[in-house]
Amino acid sequence: QSALTQPRSLSGSPGQSVTISCTGSSNDVGGYNYVSWYQQYPGKAPKVLIYEVTKRPSGVPDRFSGSKSANTASLTISGLQAEDEADYYCCSYAGSYSYVFGTGTKVTVL
Amino acid sequence: QITLKESGPTLVKPTQTLTLTCTFSGFSLTTSGVGVGWIRQPPGEALEWLTLIYWDGDRRYSPSLKNRLTITRDTSKNQVVLTMTNMDPADTGTYYCVHLPYADFSNWGQGTLVTVSS
Repeated sequence: QSALTQPRSLSGSPGQSVTISCTGSSNDVGGYNYVSWYQQYPGKAPKVLIYEVTKRPSGVPDRFSGSKSANTASLTISGLQAEDEADYYCCSYAGSYSYVFGTGTKVTVL
Repeated sequence: QITLKESGPTLVKPTQTLTLTCTFSGFSLTTSGVGVGWIRQPPGEALEWLTLIYWDGDRRYSPSLKNRLTITRDTSKNQVVLTMTNMDPADTGTYYCVHLPYADFSNWGQGTLVTVSS
């Protein structure tokens, strides 16, 4: 059960879009539609942004969207805002009621 | 409102056993599909899933740590307890208690920083 692979960092200007990839295998991302995404500010607990690949909890802006193709899931932040500067983690169900997280991506708003 | 709160020692010595308690409210661990578990994060590093205990008592562990972890529950007290044996400085980090209503970690505790040092 290896960690899912994410880019270490991404950046964008306000108003731009950024897409964070999350690559796993057929044993996790590719095998189930249970990918979730979390946003974490320094010193704070993570917060769920996306669950079941594409669903947004109430209160999460629709600027955040999720998708999946084969063994890679993606989180897109459209209309980047200063408050989106944070760390982002993907997580996938990995079978047998277990889970695996991604390596994390730091998003910087220029 | 769902809340989770971790409690336990902030400092443990190498080779000792860590015991953390998660006290939760706002949901029941006996509801079908629900799980409560633990996720940790070393300083400056990524999140790592450790373990889950489900509504039916089923327990799941990270394959890399399963020999060192035990998760138990007390449904009457709304508590879940994590035990990790043979602590090492590499186990230093923030340990989060999490609520899994179905297939995502919807609710998190504030986290507790555990330092392993002699």
